[in-house]
Amino acid sequence: ETGVTQSPTHLIKTRGQQVTLRCSSQSGHNTVSWYQQALGQGPQFIFQYYREEENGRGNFPPRFSGLQFPNYSSELNVNALELDDSALYLCASSLEQGRGYGYTFGSGTRLTVV
Amino acid sequence: GDSVTQMEGPVTLSEEAFLTINCTYTATGYPSLFWYVQYPGEGLQLLLKATKADDKGSNKGFEATYRKETTSFHLEKGSVQVSDSAVYFCALSAGTGNQFYFGTGTSLTVIP
Repeated sequence: ETGVTQSPTHLIKTRGQQVTLRCSSQSGHNTVSWYQQALGQGPQFIFQYYREEENGRGNFPPRFSGLQFPNYSSELNVNALELDDSALYLCASSLEQGRGYGYTFGSGTRLTVV
Repeated sequence: GDSVTQMEGPVTLSEEAFLTINCTYTATGYPSLFWYVQYPGEGLQLLLKATKADDKGSNKGFEATYRKETTSFHLEKGSVQVSDSAVYFCALSAGTGNQFYFGTGTSLTVIP
């Protein structure tokens, strides 16, 4: 059973640029969520996709957008990067949506905006 | 709104000491509660969970009991090991979706 894999592991971008982060969910999982974890903080919910539809969004501006594909893999896109976007971005997948299901997390993508 | 308040760290313990990390929550409805652990440079791993009041989650010697009356989900371990050194996050999931609310994390260092 493969876990959640994210790519790339690290990247550096310049303020104002755009970035795409990728996530392959665990086999059989149809729900993918993205979280932003600033240094020394807990993860903050960005949005969730369930069977290719966005079905929940946290307090993040529209320049954070995403996609989920038929194989349940997912992308996170961030436009017009700001310095405060520097963080660890975590993708997590779940067997189903619902409060009782735990997430399986990937190791994250460390984004640095300079 | 829903939130989790977690005991601040860092916490430093000697090997074989008793561990308690406090966690309290605020939520509408009946949340599920979780503890996740994060080792350096890695993502989060689910440690244990409880989905209803009075449930006890347990794994690898760690335990936590869902206390509705005190809105708490404290993490305990009777005898910590050096390999338990990590950051521990308390989290809740409530409502119809699967959005998690995380605490700020508690860093644990166990010294030999």
